[in-house]
Amino acid sequence: GQNIDQPTEMTATEGAIVQINCTYQTSGFNGLFWYQQHAGEAPTFLSYNVLDGLEEKGRFSSFLSRSKGYSYLLLKELQMKDSASYLCAAADSNYQLIWGAGTKLIIKP
Amino acid sequence: GAVVSQHPSRVICKSGTSVKIECRSLDFQATTMFWYRQFPKQSLMLMATSNEGSKATYEQGVEKDKFLINHASLTLSTLTVTSAHPEDSSFYICSARDGGGHTEAFFGQGTRLTVV
Repeated sequence: GQNIDQPTEMTATEGAIVQINCTYQTSGFNGLFWYQQHAGEAPTFLSYNVLDGLEEKGRFSSFLSRSKGYSYLLLKELQMKDSASYLCAAADSNYQLIWGAGTKLIIKP
Repeated sequence: GAVVSQHPSRVICKSGTSVKIECRSLDFQATTMFWYRQFPKQSLMLMATSNEGSKATYEQGVEKDKFLINHASLTLSTLTVTSAHPEDSSFYICSARDGGGHTEAFFGQGTRLTVV
C-alpha cells in the first residue's frame, strides 16, 4: 500500500535548526512536496523535489533520496512564526498526492 | 504563485440543510480540482477529484450523493454538502494545479463548516 510517515510533533528553540523527516512508499513516484499549515488555515507550498539532492530556498531546504524513499525539510534560524504543522506529500504514478499526517513544530523562545 | 479562492471561509448551518462551497482558480484554468476534508489534528483526506465537464471521481467511503461536486467551468468547482449532519462538521479545502501533475497544488483558504 501507499504510506507516508513523519513524526507527530517536534520542539525546537528560536534561532536553532530543525530537521523534519519523511519516509514514503508509493506506487510509482513523481515528486515529494512539503507544505506548511498554520492552525485553522489551508496549507501553503514550501518545496518540491523530484531529483535526489538538496534544494535550498532561503531559510528552508528540502532533501530527497529516491532510493531510500526519504526526504527531510530543514528549517534554519527558526522564528516563532515557524510554529506550524509541516505536511509531507508524495505524488504517485498518477500524480495523486499521498499525504502524511503532518508534523507539529513547536518553537520555544 | 497561482491563486485559488474558496468561499465561504466559515459557515454554520442547521442539521438537515444543504451548504454549497465554491472553489475558484483566479488566474489560471484548472481542468482538475481536488476536494479535501480535514479533521482537527489530522491529515488532509482526499474526498474527490473534480474534472471539468465530467463527473467527479470519489474516493472510497465518500458518499457521492451526499457530497455533490460540480465542475462546470475551467475556473469553478463547487462542493455541496446535502442534508448536513453534525458529523459533517469539518474543515473542507479545495486545491487545483496550474499545469501538469508534477506541479504544486495551490489551495483555497478552506471552509470551516459547523452543523448545529
